[in-house]
Amino acid sequence: GENVEQHPSTLSVQEGDSAVIKCTYSDSASNYFPWYKQELGKGPQLIIDIRSNVGEKKDQRIAVTLNKTAKHFSLHITETQPEDSAVYFCAAGPLGDYKLSFGAGTTVTVRA
Amino acid sequence: DAGVTQSPTHLIKTRGQQVTLRCSPKSGHDTVSWYQQALGQGPQFIFQYYEEEERQRGNFPDRFSGHQFPNYSSELNVNALLLGDSALYLCASSLWTWDGGTDTQYFGPGTRLTVL
Repeated sequence: GENVEQHPSTLSVQEGDSAVIKCTYSDSASNYFPWYKQELGKGPQLIIDIRSNVGEKKDQRIAVTLNKTAKHFSLHITETQPEDSAVYFCAAGPLGDYKLSFGAGTTVTVRA
Repeated sequence: DAGVTQSPTHLIKTRGQQVTLRCSPKSGHDTVSWYQQALGQGPQFIFQYYEEEERQRGNFPDRFSGHQFPNYSSELNVNALLLGDSALYLCASSLWTWDGGTDTQYFGPGTRLTVL
């Protein structure tokens, strides 16, 4: 099955700086890579996703890059704000398989 | 447009008991997936329902079972509860695609189950 590893487990950044979270996956058949943000006591909220036919996708301050050859993808948050503080999860979904495999999560703290 | 809803919010049970959790998918969605999220970990896939049938199953024992109703809502049942079943149970809804792709999944707020 798919195995997703996520690094770092915790990340502290100064407000206004950038944050980068990296994930690797094992199943070359994976073609869908979403990122979720989870705040305390809430369910994961989809913030951006990318499919294997695209190498990069951007939505305002958030961007995701995908390197299928190396089997890794990354989340970039620019100009971080205190409300960006949360746990972020990456996930991977193989082609034809609807289940998502999640990383262990990254706790991001934005210092004011 | 209502998102994914789950009930109850919190639940406390004792070992050996049975529990039923409920999920209503986002409007327009026909597929429901269930995940278990232990404290400090990422969600783990339990199973998925489409057209009232279990389509895929993760590495969970038969104590975990489910059901999907004609209106696409779903239930998760867990029998013979163990202390290790304590977790946040998440429901995610999506739209089934026939081209082999994986469609976007939207999560509900979850049900926090505590087994004593």
